[in-house]
Amino acid sequence: EVQLVESGGGLVQPGGSLRLSCAASGFTFSTYWMSWVRQAPGKGLEWVANIKKDGSEKYYVDSVKGRFTISRDNAKKSLYLQMNSLRAEDTSVYYCATLHCTAASCSPTEYYFYHWGQGALVTVSS
Amino acid sequence: SYVLAQPPSVSVAPGKTARITCGGNNIGSKSVHWYQQKPGQAPVLVIYYDNDRPSGIPERFSGSNSGNTATLTISRVEAGDEADYYCHVWDSSSDHLFGTGTKVTVL
Repeated sequence: EVQLVESGGGLVQPGGSLRLSCAASGFTFSTYWMSWVRQAPGKGLEWVANIKKDGSEKYYVDSVKGRFTISRDNAKKSLYLQMNSLRAEDTSVYYCATLHCTAASCSPTEYYFYHWGQGALVTVSS
Repeated sequence: SYVLAQPPSVSVAPGKTARITCGGNNIGSKSVHWYQQKPGQAPVLVIYYDNDRPSGIPERFSGSNSGNTATLTISRVEAGDEADYYCHVWDSSSDHLFGTGTKVTVL
């Protein structure tokens, strides 16, 4: 059974830092792109970042560029999100998710989020 | 940047058909994926590549995509289908992008 378990959420002051972790099991972690997706309270879903299977490529939504860093440790089957210079508008539930492509040719448009974790709540407030 | 528009809410009686639209410029040229999210839970993929269903998703869920509108159709709606639904595409100007979400209420 595929499992993604996020941890590391909590309350942090504006300007502070937090590191989220996502522990994966039940699938070959190193063979999948991984993502972070967030959801502010009462709001919709927002993609945050992607990382390639081997960690060699990383992509971010504009609002977090320069502040957040996505990384992974394939030996530990873990995904991370280092969040610095946090702002009130970063308050959200953060989900880790697997990115899948089953098309004949896997261009970026062919990827979808398949397995999701249960989410970790990050609250940025003084 | 690319924008995906969904109606905020759709109401449907049990046993009837719900149609949720996702509007975007020439969205028919993109692959559209749909997610169901129940309160307090993580999203669940219900449709990918416009009209493919993951294993475990009932045949009552189907999708279409043409022109400027993609549609998620839920046939023979059940009380358990009550949830928020989001469409998702990838666009070169926005990377991964979700629609605004539609709350489906079963009357």
